[in-house]
Amino acid sequence: EAGVTQFPSHSVIEKGQTVTLRCDPISGHDNLYWYRRVMGKEIKFLLHFVKESKQDESGMPNNRFLAERTGGTYSTLKVQPAELEDSGVYFCASSQGLGFGRGAYEQYFGPGTRLTVT
Amino acid sequence: AQTVTQSQPEMSVQEAETVTLSCTYDTSESDYYLFWYKQPPSRQMILVIRQEAYKQQNATENRFSVNFQKAAKSFSLKISDSQLGDAAMYFCAYMDNFNKFYFGSGTKLNVKP
Repeated sequence: EAGVTQFPSHSVIEKGQTVTLRCDPISGHDNLYWYRRVMGKEIKFLLHFVKESKQDESGMPNNRFLAERTGGTYSTLKVQPAELEDSGVYFCASSQGLGFGRGAYEQYFGPGTRLTVT
Repeated sequence: AQTVTQSQPEMSVQEAETVTLSCTYDTSESDYYLFWYKQPPSRQMILVIRQEAYKQQNATENRFSVNFQKAAKSFSLKISDSQLGDAAMYFCAYMDNFNKFYFGSGTKLNVKP
């Protein structure tokens, strides 16, 4: 079974440019999550999709960030225009279901995309 | 809001020895899950161990075990017989009733041969 994949693995862009990160969850996982880790800090929740709908986007920093999930499959996270403070590692995770049922909640993580804004 | 604190940014352990990583959290909920995730260098995070808050018995997975102290809101990870492959960044995480995860800042574990 293929795991969660993310593309690109590393992106270096200049301030003011646009970058789009992509996440392909595990097939059949309805839940998709985006997280971000700024250097040395905790991993912070950005948003949660259930299929193609945004369940919770309370962690999105501002309106320069736009996340989509086409047809409930892969997801993209676009940053436009990028600022220096957007640098960090962006993780994507997926899970099969919701609730406390055994195994339903375990989140499987992708390798992350390291974004550097100069 | 829930917060997770890992007070040890970096730790070292000799191969075959035992090490304990600390984690504390803050919550007003009574039912939740706690996790330890491991991220080896340049690789993705994998689940090490999970603990349901309603269970008093500490979770164990082979060489990995937790010391869950609900009243103290403490959730430490013990790694026995440390191996070189255990070297990684370890993240403690709290999951609330809405399946939302809150992570600590991580502890980098070095294993010395």
